[in-house]
Amino acid sequence: QSALTQPPSASGSPGQSVTISCTGTSSDVGGYNYVSWYQQHSGKAPKLMIYEVSKRPSGVPDRFSGSKSGNTASLTVSGLQAEDEADYYCSSYAGSNNYVFGTGTKVTVL
Amino acid sequence: EVQLVESGGGLVQPGGSLRLSCAVSGFTFSSYAMNWVRQAPGKGLEWVSIISGSGDSAYYGDSVKGRFTISRDNSKNRLYLKMNSLRGDDTAVYYCVGEGFDLWGQGTMVTVSS
Repeated sequence: QSALTQPPSASGSPGQSVTISCTGTSSDVGGYNYVSWYQQHSGKAPKLMIYEVSKRPSGVPDRFSGSKSGNTASLTVSGLQAEDEADYYCSSYAGSNNYVFGTGTKVTVL
Repeated sequence: EVQLVESGGGLVQPGGSLRLSCAVSGFTFSSYAMNWVRQAPGKGLEWVSIISGSGDSAYYGDSVKGRFTISRDNSKNRLYLKMNSLRGDDTAVYYCVGEGFDLWGQGTMVTVSS
């Protein structure tokens, strides 16, 4: 199972928006509405930010939103804040009780 | 308060074995599947394994299939990962993770080196 493809880095100034892509195949991202996004600050455990493509867990700011088109999912962070600087990973169900994560994107707040 | 606390990590020689444990509290453990996810130093996340709430079904990522075994003891609210035939590329922080990937432990470091 190959990792989902994410850009290595993304950046934006405070208040701006940044969008991260997550590209898979029809066997994972494109085949199921089970794409999730995680935020990981340095030295910390990942935190679930988006599940089932576009749903936000309780407590996650609505500045974080998710979407999907075909084999590519996207995470948009609007109104960037300093604390949004972190690594972001996507994941997808890949069928047959398997899951796959993305390669990760480092978001920098300029 | 929900807590997932991993233990059992450490330094092991190539070809050796190790058993990780995860103590869970704050929710009805037996009602939920559980996962192990790992992260090699400076690298991304990799899904390792999942086990059903009853423990009857378990599935593995290709890189650990046949070497790792996931299990659970619902009477003790504990999740386990038995790792055999360890290799250098198994070196990672291993996280205990809830069914929906919404609950994560703090991780335990496994280093495979001679």
